[in-house]
Amino acid sequence: DAGVIQSPRHEVTEMGQEVTLRCKPISGHDYLFWYRQTMMRGLELLIYFNNNVPIDDSGMPEDRFSAKMPNASFSTLKIQPSEPRDSAVYFCASSNMRDLRQGARGELFFGEGSRLTVL
Amino acid sequence: SQKIEQNSEALNIQEGKTATLTCNYTNYSPAYLQWYRQDPGRGPVFLLLIRENEKEKRKERLKVTFDTTLKQSLFHITASQPADSATYLCALAAYSSASKIIFGSGTRLSIRP
Repeated sequence: DAGVIQSPRHEVTEMGQEVTLRCKPISGHDYLFWYRQTMMRGLELLIYFNNNVPIDDSGMPEDRFSAKMPNASFSTLKIQPSEPRDSAVYFCASSNMRDLRQGARGELFFGEGSRLTVL
Repeated sequence: SQKIEQNSEALNIQEGKTATLTCNYTNYSPAYLQWYRQDPGRGPVFLLLIRENEKEKRKERLKVTFDTTLKQSLFHITASQPADSATYLCALAAYSSASKIIFGSGTRLSIRP
């Protein structure tokens, strides 16, 4: 398997523009997570999905952020309009948590991240 | 509010020594705790999981302990090597929502030859 695939790897945009980040999780995984990482705030959970359904979006900073998972193999995180304070590395991760109670590790597999710079 | 704190932002030790990293949490009833390694420009990579009813877990040169009374996990790397230099993150999942995994801020470990 190719692992979790994120695109774009780097995005530089101007304030006010729409940004769309994309993620392809590992096939067969039932959970998908979006995290944001900055020096100041570390790795913050934004939203996560179970079987394509959003479970907890309490980490989404504000209404400018939205995430979708139209099917098991694709998710998007959209920022509209973007602001300089949104500059960060955005990570997507997927996991197979079906067997967590039976001793599975529930480990997250992360993509390489999308580095966003908003000027 | 719930907090996960990794007390040392950075740790520098001599090659061959044991590195010990600390992860403390408050206002959590954790189901399990995980440790990840992150290299510059890369996503975190899973290392170990320890459940709340386990005291210790080992994997090669790595050892993790979990003390739910102290609300603390310790992560040890024995016989450390320069290749162990990276940022190490602890992550918690609470009983109330075992699939919601929250990360600490990380400790940047540097092993000098």
